[in-house]
Amino acid sequence: DAKTTQPNSMESNEEEPVHLPCNHSTISGTDYIHWYRQLPSQGPEYVIHGLTSNVNNRMASLAIAEDRKSSTLILHRATLRDAAVYYCILRDRSGNTPLVFGKGTRLSVIA
Amino acid sequence: EPEVTQTPSHQVTQMGQEVILRCVPISNHLYFYWYRQILGQKVEFLVSFYNNEISEKSEIFDDQFSVERPDGSNFTLKIRSTKLEDSAMYFCASSESAGGNTGELFFGEGSRLTVL
Repeated sequence: DAKTTQPNSMESNEEEPVHLPCNHSTISGTDYIHWYRQLPSQGPEYVIHGLTSNVNNRMASLAIAEDRKSSTLILHRATLRDAAVYYCILRDRSGNTPLVFGKGTRLSVIA
Repeated sequence: EPEVTQTPSHQVTQMGQEVILRCVPISNHLYFYWYRQILGQKVEFLVSFYNNEISEKSEIFDDQFSVERPDGSNFTLKIRSTKLEDSAMYFCASSESAGGNTGELFFGEGSRLTVL
C-alpha cells in the first residue's frame, strides 16, 4: 500500500483557516487521495477525496500538488466541532484494496 | 440523511463467550465493511463484503471471526470464543460502490465490546 505522512498534531484558533498537510511521495497514477476524520467517541467520517484537480465541498477543500506527491486539506474557518483526528489515505480507484487508516493528525481548535 | 446503524452500542461479555455485533447499512449500498479500534490505537480494517461473500480480509480476521448478511438489511460480525484482546470499538461501514467517485465509506457510531 502507498504510504502517507502527516504531522501528529496541529492546533488552530477558532474561526481561522486550517491547512492540514499530507505527503504521499509514492502515490501511483490510479490512487485517489481520501480524507476522513474521526470526532471524539465517533466513527470515522468522510470529508473529501480527489485524484488530480483541487476539490471543494461543503466541509472542506482539497488542494493537490501538481506532481501529486502531496496534498493539503483546507478547513476554511475552523470551529470547535472540527476538533478531530484527520486521516489522509490513498486508495486505488478500483476500490479493490481496503481503506487503510494511519495515525492521522490530531487537530485541536482553541476558542 | 441516511446512516449506518449499529447495535448494541456497548456489550460486556465474559472471555470465551460468543458475540454478535449487528449493523444496518445504508439501503442502496452494496459494499460492507467491519473495522475495529482498540482504545488509543488506529482504526484497523477487518473485512470487506460484497455480493454475499468476503472480498478482502486482514490478518486480524482469523477463524474466530465471521460475517454474514442474513437478510436484505442486516450485516453481522460474529466473534467466537472472545478473548481479552478483542475488547475494542467495532465500526461497521458501507459504500455505494467499491471505488472511483462514489466509493466513500459511511461509518456507523460503533459498538463497544468489553471482554472480561
